[in-house]
Amino acid sequence: KNQVEQSPQSLIILEGKNCTLQCNYTVSPFSNLRWYKQDTGRGPVSLTIMTFSENTKSNGRYTATLDADTKQSSLHITASQLSDSASYICVVSVNYGGSQGNLIFGKGTKLSVKP
Amino acid sequence: EAQVTQNPRYLITVTGKKLTVTCSQNMNHEYMSWYRQDPGLGLRQIYYSMNVEVTDKGDVPEGYKVSRKEKRNFPLILESPSPNQTSLYFCASTEGGGNFAEAFFGQGTRLTVV
Repeated sequence: KNQVEQSPQSLIILEGKNCTLQCNYTVSPFSNLRWYKQDTGRGPVSLTIMTFSENTKSNGRYTATLDADTKQSSLHITASQLSDSASYICVVSVNYGGSQGNLIFGKGTKLSVKP
Repeated sequence: EAQVTQNPRYLITVTGKKLTVTCSQNMNHEYMSWYRQDPGLGLRQIYYSMNVEVTDKGDVPEGYKVSRKEKRNFPLILESPSPNQTSLYFCASTEGGGNFAEAFFGQGTRLTVV
């Protein structure tokens, strides 16, 4: 069964600190993996996409990694800011021969950044 | 500006009173979908549409209907809402295909059924 597991469920850190969120998946056939940021009460917004051949990708203070062999991804946030407080959702896309949108969602990690 | 627009943002209704949540996208995407989000359960797909007049069930379709008469609109219909449909609903429109599909989400509709 295609699944995406995220850890931790929630995390509280102090402003300025770094943190790493984890995503493990059992999805086949794998197409790509995206990390989304969801502010409270709003729709998720894509932060980064990882394809099978990519190991690391950065978007400002966000760095995503992908290990396709172990089927693990991480999202590292550097020098956290109060505005980073949100849920971060790992989403894996299944490749059914070009079919769009077969997305498997993780349940998200809720990050709280405190001053 | 490229966007997915849902209406209403908030809705309180009574059990059994039919309602429709509208969703519109201006990106000419073929693929659209509806999700509900509940605490501890994450986002679950209700219905999706790969193109006009083509719709299919997602993971939790019971109690919902959809229609796709034109590419830009994908309304979600609750014929007889029940309290267990109280949830946060998101419409999404998907760009591209193959390895780069990105879902663009609407602002969400918070529905309460009493």
